[in-house]
Amino acid sequence: EAGVAQSPRYKIIEKRQSVAFWCNPISGHATLYWYQQILGQGPKLLIQFQNNGVVDDSQLPKDRFSAERLKGVDSTLKIQPAKLEDSAVYLCASSLEAAANYGYTFGSGTRLTVV
Amino acid sequence: KQEVTQIPAALSVPEGENLVLNCSFTDSAIYNLQWFRQDPGKGLTSLLLIQSSQREQTSGRLNASLDKSSGRSTLYIAASQPGDSATYLCAVGGNTGGFKTIFGAGTRLFVKA
Repeated sequence: EAGVAQSPRYKIIEKRQSVAFWCNPISGHATLYWYQQILGQGPKLLIQFQNNGVVDDSQLPKDRFSAERLKGVDSTLKIQPAKLEDSAVYLCASSLEAAANYGYTFGSGTRLTVV
Repeated sequence: KQEVTQIPAALSVPEGENLVLNCSFTDSAIYNLQWFRQDPGKGLTSLLLIQSSQREQTSGRLNASLDKSSGRSTLYIAASQPGDSATYLCAVGGNTGGFKTIFGAGTRLFVKA
């Protein structure tokens, strides 16, 4: 089966600019996650979708970050305006259901550098 | 609040050595635990998934164990190879405020040829 697709692979922007990331999960996977991974740390959940509804966005900095999953398939994550501390790898993952029995499949990530 | 700790943070071993990576968690009420591998600049690759009712899972040279009562999991790698060099992360799935997965910071493994 095809994996989780993410684009772009790399992005360099200046602070205060905006940026968007795209994710296409594995076909049939109802649950989609966006994680932020700062260098040297484990991934931190930003937002979790179940189909096209938000299940958990408690750690999403909503003053600058937004995400949507239209039609319950592809998703976009946007940062506006970006700050230096947003430099990280943004990982998208999907799972069959948001249940305990299913593991995650991750995409290759988008490495964001804010200068 | 669930906290996941991985020790050591980094490990260097000669090729052929058997090794153990450790993961500990503070809340034993978990649903599952998953081990991942991450190569530099890449995403995470799932290695093993252990359900809360299981005690271990095996895949090739990898064996992961789970002891919920003590809040520990280990990843055993047999006959290590230079190609095993990567960062290994454990992720604990729980039910804190809904189903959430918390990641450890990882162990960076370097296998010397």
